[in-house]
Amino acid sequence: QSVLTQPPSVSAAPGQEVTISCSGSSSNIGKNYVSWYQQLPGTAPKLLIYENNKRPSGTPDRFSGSKSGTSATLGITGLQTGDEADYYCGTWDSSLSAGVFGGGTKLTVL
Amino acid sequence: EVQLLESGGGLVQSGGSLRLSCAASGFAFNSYDMSWVRQAPGKGLEWVSGISGSGGSTYYADSVKGRFTISRDNSKNTLYLQMDSLRAEDTAVYYCAKVSSGYDRAWFYYYYMAVWGKGTTVTVSS
Repeated sequence: QSVLTQPPSVSAAPGQEVTISCSGSSSNIGKNYVSWYQQLPGTAPKLLIYENNKRPSGTPDRFSGSKSGTSATLGITGLQTGDEADYYCGTWDSSLSAGVFGGGTKLTVL
Repeated sequence: EVQLLESGGGLVQSGGSLRLSCAASGFAFNSYDMSWVRQAPGKGLEWVSGISGSGGSTYYADSVKGRFTISRDNSKNTLYLQMDSLRAEDTAVYYCAKVSSGYDRAWFYYYYMAVWGKGTTVTVSS
């Protein structure tokens, strides 16, 4: 069971938008920055969003991140079939003194 | 270009040991925390362990505490994970990652895996 909670799956049609939630607690999301990772099928994860809402070079501006209290959200607009992947949220848990991830959300672009 | 190349994975019997290595290049290795993250077959990501740039601070997930040891050799730009008393549930792809971490001006902490290696597979047979 993961420390951070994500929905197992989300789906939407090409061109539409989708959001993926990530719920934590006061010891992790509540006091530390959140990052998001994209894992395309058969590949290693890749950093998608860091420090709640910043995009590394290479991340399209169709991807956005936000945080409020002990929850965070990844938003994707203008969905493309190439966005089909597993998405993970992550942060540091100050009580555990450990990195933590959500269980992952599988995005299907119908 | 930042590159991370893991090695050392393989098939080992339950109770056995294995040492993973991660060769880093393209950045000032001793200036960055590093971490190991694993992914069991068909499962999600699990943070395993982290180490500070100097090697003076180490952190572990409860699931591996007392069995795994993270270390680094900054003269060789290499990260290690010594895995002892291996169990079937340790079977996974193990990724090495370059970590960006620190406090901002408001004293919020950031810790994220900025760059990932391609991974090395560890299989523990029972």
